[in-house]
Amino acid sequence: KAGVTQTPRYLIKTRGQQVTLSCSPISGHRSVSWYQQTPGQGLQFLFEYFSETQRNKGNFPGRFSGRQFSNSRSEMNVSTLELGDSALYLCASSLPEGSIGPTQYFGPGTRLTVL
Amino acid sequence: AQSVTQLGSHVSVSEGALVLLRCNYSSSVPPYLFWYVQYPNQGLQLLLKYTTGATLVKGINGFEAEFKKSETSFHLTKPSAHMSDAAEYFCAVSASNNDMRFGAGTRLTVKP
Repeated sequence: KAGVTQTPRYLIKTRGQQVTLSCSPISGHRSVSWYQQTPGQGLQFLFEYFSETQRNKGNFPGRFSGRQFSNSRSEMNVSTLELGDSALYLCASSLPEGSIGPTQYFGPGTRLTVL
Repeated sequence: AQSVTQLGSHVSVSEGALVLLRCNYSSSVPPYLFWYVQYPNQGLQLLLKYTTGATLVKGINGFEAEFKKSETSFHLTKPSAHMSDAAEYFCAVSASNNDMRFGAGTRLTVKP
């Protein structure tokens, strides 16, 4: 099976712009989670989608949003970019409900640099 | 709510020496526990996980971890370090589907 894919891998934006990142989960996985990783804050949970619905949300401002499509692919959007949004954004997918032991499988990440 | 504490942000070992990365968790319900490894500019790769059953869990690349409920620990070990083991390691805990919390990470350096 193909792993989790994320596009683009690298992105450079300027302050005030918006950005959309894409994540394709492993085939058959219906849950997609997003994380922000920075040297100072480590791995921080953004949100999780399951069957096109946001189930969990981390402590991030409303500028961070996401959605999930019927094929389980997910996008996250960051509006009005700030310098502090520079980070590695990781997407993870996991097996359907009822699986024993939720296990998240990660993509390679999108490196966002805000200038 | 569950949480994870990784003891030691940096660990340095010599090639061939024992690797021991420490992780303590807090959870109000029986936890699921995970170790992930991250190489530079890459995503996280699952090393091993504990769900139920045997408390000694074997993972990839010769790593293993032991779930000790009495000590609320899930330390990661490898008998003999290899240069290719140099990376950052994350311990994570989950008490329900996809509510996963990560530790701050431990950077492992392997000296020749």
